[in-house]
Amino acid sequence: QKEVEQDPGPLSVPEGAIVSLNCTYSNSAFQYFMWYRQYSRKGPELLMYTYSSGNKEDGRFTAQVDKSSKYISLFIRDSQPSDSATYLCATSVSGNQFYFGTGTSLTVIP
Amino acid sequence: GAVVSQHPSWVICKSGTSVKIECRSLDFQATTMFWYRQFPKQSLMLMATSNEGSKATYEQGVEKDKFLINHASLTLSTLTVTSAHPEDSSFYICSARGPDSNTEAFFGQGTRLTVV
Repeated sequence: QKEVEQDPGPLSVPEGAIVSLNCTYSNSAFQYFMWYRQYSRKGPELLMYTYSSGNKEDGRFTAQVDKSSKYISLFIRDSQPSDSATYLCATSVSGNQFYFGTGTSLTVIP
Repeated sequence: GAVVSQHPSWVICKSGTSVKIECRSLDFQATTMFWYRQFPKQSLMLMATSNEGSKATYEQGVEKDKFLINHASLTLSTLTVTSAHPEDSSFYICSARGPDSNTEAFFGQGTRLTVV
């Protein structure tokens, strides 16, 4: 079983839609949860991180962690064409090693 | 966020030659650097973790004699692919983390290596 499972998509939504991206993980020891955005042929860019359970909001982005179900989510409100990218979730126990999902490819159609 | 610069962004080399990829943290001291490999439509595969001044820790299945990692300073780590072969063609990405962070590992732009 992979440490982190993520549906690769692709996901295609109209501009302005709410996007929901999700991952599940297997190790209950994970405490740090990150979301990265990766444009084609570029390195990943850290979008948000959360520690333990709960929600974190930053502009149009909301990250949510449910440790009881080992489920992490990223919501994008009012999605824009510029949000089109691959989104990677990642987890870590202590920051010494990161486990990444396979990434979900998102296209926002104008 | 912090800036990590990776160079070159792409390189084409002949089979049997060696290629060096540099990863620099421009505005912070990177006590830990990670090297990843990414295949198309797949996630990042951790190759090795290096702490400044010590030998890199390689993941299982990664040949340390083939992928030489040097982290001689707090701002620079290098990955050298020795005697490259076409199967080594891939997207290589580094990330760097400072001493005070458990989460914010900043990524370089990646290097597209093509071995012909």
